[in-house]
Amino acid sequence: EVQLVESGGGLVQPGGSLRLSCAASGFSFRSCEMNWVRQAPGKGLEYVSYINSVGSTTFYAGSVRGRFTVSRDNAKSSLFLQMDSLTPEDTGVYYCAKDRSGGASPADHWGQGTLVTVSS
Amino acid sequence: DIQMTQSPSSLSASVGDRVTITCRASQGIRNYLGWYQQKPGKVPELLIYDVSTLQSGVPSRFSGSGSGTDFTLTISSLQPEDVATYYCQSYIDAPRTFGQGTKVEIK
Repeated sequence: EVQLVESGGGLVQPGGSLRLSCAASGFSFRSCEMNWVRQAPGKGLEYVSYINSVGSTTFYAGSVRGRFTVSRDNAKSSLFLQMDSLTPEDTGVYYCAKDRSGGASPADHWGQGTLVTVSS
Repeated sequence: DIQMTQSPSSLSASVGDRVTITCRASQGIRNYLGWYQQKPGKVPELLIYDVSTLQSGVPSRFSGSGSGTDFTLTISSLQPEDVATYYCQSYIDAPRTFGQGTKVEIK
């Protein structure tokens, strides 16, 4: 069974940092492209970041580019999102999600999410 | 970046009704279009990918169609368990943009 378990969320002051983790199991993590998607309270889904299977290609939404860094450790089946210079607009639930297949593909499994709250 | 526009933003229909949600891409995305369902308080789930292919386990009352820039999600006979917000997504390239969502309620 595919499992994605996020951790690392919490309350942080504006300007602060957080590092989110996503522990993967039940599939060949090293073969999968991965994504981070967030959802502000009461709002829709916002695509945040992408990383290919070997970590050589990444993408960031304009709203987080230069502040967030995605990475992965295939040996530990783990995905990370380093978030710096956080603002209240970064508040929301952060989901990690695996691509259904290689190449251009939707996300077929999502974690339960971890809540990030940026507030003073 | 490709923009995805869904309509309507919300709808209310009776059990058994046929429900249609549309999604328009700002440029052609070939068949790289998916639909997700997010029930209240739950995690999004993939319903349909590549415009019209049902994800495993998805009831056959759901269907997708379209091409190029205009796409449709149809629920042939709305059921109470279909109450959710539905999102389209383009995944032809990064960013894999989502539509703004369509909230479906029972009348």
